[in-house]
Amino acid sequence: EIVLTQSPATLSLSPGERATLSCRASQSVSSYLAWYQQKPGQAPRLLIYDASNRATGIPARFSGSGSGTDFTLTISSLEPEDFAVYYCQQRSNWPRTTFGQGTKLEIK
Amino acid sequence: EVQLLESGGGLVQPGGSLRLSCAASGFTFSSYAMSWVRQAPGKGLEWVSAISGSGGSTYYADSVKGRFTISRDNSKNTLYLQMNSLRAEDTAVYYCAKDTPLYHTKYYFDYWGQGTLVTVSS
Repeated sequence: EIVLTQSPATLSLSPGERATLSCRASQSVSSYLAWYQQKPGQAPRLLIYDASNRATGIPARFSGSGSGTDFTLTISSLEPEDFAVYYCQQRSNWPRTTFGQGTKLEIK
Repeated sequence: EVQLLESGGGLVQPGGSLRLSCAASGFTFSSYAMSWVRQAPGKGLEWVSAISGSGGSTYYADSVKGRFTISRDNSKNTLYLQMNSLRAEDTAVYYCAKDTPLYHTKYYFDYWGQGTLVTVSS
């Protein structure tokens, strides 16, 4: 099983600051990695797919990078609605898939 | 507009059974694989099972293999998850998710239902 490890577990920042979230895979997943945002009581929402492509309707302040085993989600300037939990997901061994344990982005 | 609506969750005793349904609309259901993903209270996301668009191929996480059965009725645009021999650790919100289109691989979950809560407790 491919294990995804996200860091940090919690990130405390203020609106307007830049957020950098990390996801590391236990083996190469090429670029088959996605990022999701989840707010309390809601289903996850796809933000980034194939490591660096924004999903439909996702603001340009969200960007993804990386390949192989190391990936980054960057939010260039935090808006109040961006404070949520973020998960990475790999689909290298499709149709099976695994998720990271999540990073909680909280208001400082 | 794509919509996924789960139902069938509830309280069940350990060892019991439950069948979840996911009614889909807004896309050609039979042209897409579908998946179930669960989330235990306060925890992260765990993929449970997937099924091909035709229903001919099914896949399971090791944690549910032999106990859960995924199926679909393309004439009703509905996905199912039959859960048997339920355990306390199966307690979670269960989401259905739109997965990969036919003749493709390695897509992502671009649409999710709102989830249905399954509680396994005596």
